[in-house]
Amino acid sequence: SQTIHQWPATLVQPVGSPLSLECTVEGTSNPNLYWYRQAAGRGLQLLFYSVGIGQISSEVPQNLSASRPQDRQFILSSKKLLLSDSGFYLCAWREDRYSYGYTFGSGTRLTVV
Amino acid sequence: KNEVEQSPQNLTAQEGEFITINCSYSVGISALHWLQQHPGGGIVSLFMLSSGKKKHGRLIATINIQEKHSSLHITASHPRDSAVYICADIGRTGGGADGLTFGKGTHLIIQP
Repeated sequence: SQTIHQWPATLVQPVGSPLSLECTVEGTSNPNLYWYRQAAGRGLQLLFYSVGIGQISSEVPQNLSASRPQDRQFILSSKKLLLSDSGFYLCAWREDRYSYGYTFGSGTRLTVV
Repeated sequence: KNEVEQSPQNLTAQEGEFITINCSYSVGISALHWLQQHPGGGIVSLFMLSSGKKKHGRLIATINIQEKHSSLHITASHPRDSAVYICADIGRTGGGADGLTFGKGTHLIIQP
């Protein structure tokens, strides 16, 4: 079966510290992968998407970066966290850009202090 | 640019009431997701629909592609239904980007 794992569920990090959030997918190959962020009082916003290994597209300029070192692994990173990086981060995938069905991770609540 | 609007933003109701949450979008789409976000933050996918109606337990989702409108209904609401409900359309986010466009969510509280 197709599943998605996202961790950790919650994270508290000091300003200036690095960040690494990981998302892995099982039961599919060459999925389209997505990272979204929900800031306080706002809807989920697309940060990055990837259609293949090493292929990353960024939607909005920010303090974050993404990488796809393996087909079913999508990593969200920061070298130095800012207070404004706090929020809810969600990973999602679909089989390809023509598929309607998305599968969502459970999300990570990040608080930068 | 695609925009997704949800209403109401906040809704408080008594246990047992029939609940309706609305979602409108500006760009024609092929399908739409309804998601549930619990107080702890976890996201659960409720429905993905491209036409007509879908039902799962006490939840019913409808979509009218021509009117660019979808609704989520909860029958016999229960306090455990308290959550944020989010609709997301499967259209382009704008600027040629790929992915979902999300509404801001409806915060539902069901009081016993």
